[in-house]
Amino acid sequence: GIQVEQSPPDLILQEGANSTLRCNFSDSVNNLQWFHQNPWGQLINLFYIPSGTKQNGRLSATTVATERYSLLYISSSQTTDSGVYFCAVTNTGKLIFGQGTTLQVKP
Amino acid sequence: EAGVTQFPSHSVIEKGQTVTLRCDPISGHDNLYWYRRVMGKEIKFLLHFVKESKQDESGMPNNRFLAERTGGTYSTLKVQPAELEDSGVYFCASSQLNTEAFFGQGTRLTVV
Repeated sequence: GIQVEQSPPDLILQEGANSTLRCNFSDSVNNLQWFHQNPWGQLINLFYIPSGTKQNGRLSATTVATERYSLLYISSSQTTDSGVYFCAVTNTGKLIFGQGTTLQVKP
Repeated sequence: EAGVTQFPSHSVIEKGQTVTLRCDPISGHDNLYWYRRVMGKEIKFLLHFVKESKQDESGMPNNRFLAERTGGTYSTLKVQPAELEDSGVYFCASSQLNTEAFFGQGTRLTVV
């Protein structure tokens, strides 16, 4: 099956800093999503991005499907950005998740 | 429009007891998925319904887990009898065909 690797596993930032999270996957996919798991455990949809670039406020994402990776950019980070960021991919319907990047933003 | 809702949000049961989790998908979404995250590890797929049919149940850990989706609307996931290693967060998601999946808030199951 598809393997998904996220990096870095952990990230500590000072408020206001920028960061880039990476997701590599081992096979072609027709769906890629980024999620933020908030402190209450909810999975919040950030981007549905099988290819191309999207932006939503301080967050943007780019997926290069031919090279099998996706990047999530967080600019001017805030303490509320803390949590676990998951990348998930699929080519069959069921999502395969990476192990997540745990982000801590310090005030 | 309501999102995916799951009930209960938390459940604490003793080993050997039975627990039933419920998921109400977004209206009109034929695809319904169950996932779980155990002990802070990766989120793992359990099974996939298309309407009322099980499309893929390759992720179900054993026969103590039974999922149903009668009528193609809400789904239930029953664990009987529960074991300690079943503790974790159980997520439900729904989607239309080959599109973005939306997740419920999860059910945190603790087996003691």
